[in-house]
Amino acid sequence: KAGVTQTPRYLIKTRGQQVTLSCSPISGHRSVSWYQQTPGQGLQFLFEYFSETQRNKGNFPGRFSGRQFSNSRSEMNVSTLELGDSALYLCASSSLETVAGELFFGEGSRLTVL
Amino acid sequence: DAKTTQPNSMESNEEEPVHLPCNHSTISGTDYIHWYRQLPSQGPEYVIHGLTSNVNNRMASLAIAEDRKSSTLILHRATLRDAAVYYCILRDGTGTASKLTFGTGTRLQVTL
Repeated sequence: KAGVTQTPRYLIKTRGQQVTLSCSPISGHRSVSWYQQTPGQGLQFLFEYFSETQRNKGNFPGRFSGRQFSNSRSEMNVSTLELGDSALYLCASSSLETVAGELFFGEGSRLTVL
Repeated sequence: DAKTTQPNSMESNEEEPVHLPCNHSTISGTDYIHWYRQLPSQGPEYVIHGLTSNVNNRMASLAIAEDRKSSTLILHRATLRDAAVYYCILRDGTGTASKLTFGTGTRLQVTL
């Protein structure tokens, strides 16, 4: 079955702009989580959505937001972009509600802010 | 979340076993031990997880110390495709499912 799909794969924005990234989870998966990966901070949890509700949030400013649709597809938005937002943004989906469920990651969206 | 400590890097020869250690001295009784790996230019990939007993799957084995304060991921025969960053992660069994707290991981180099 198809894996986690993230679009776009690459994008370039300038400071002050906003960006929307999309994630299509594996069919049947209701949990979608987002991560930011930078060389300096590594992989950091942004937020998680389950059945259209945000149920966990990482330590990021309010400029970072997300949502999940009824078909489990998710989007994340970053407003007023800063240079430090340049990163690989990864989406992961999971089918199980318990901690034993493995996460399936997409290949990421690489954002460059100029 | 409880923290884990891993060596920054390790090297292995192809076709030989690799033992990747992880220390988690502050692990709680409800924490599961998960391992993920990230190949170059890809998202992380689940490898294995366990709670108390040793675990085996087609990718690797997980050996968990009796006091659970450390664990070892074992790749039985390393190949060039196993070159990746390996992350040891603790997940609270009483919490929600999908929050993973990644450390810096161990970068594994595999040579011919």
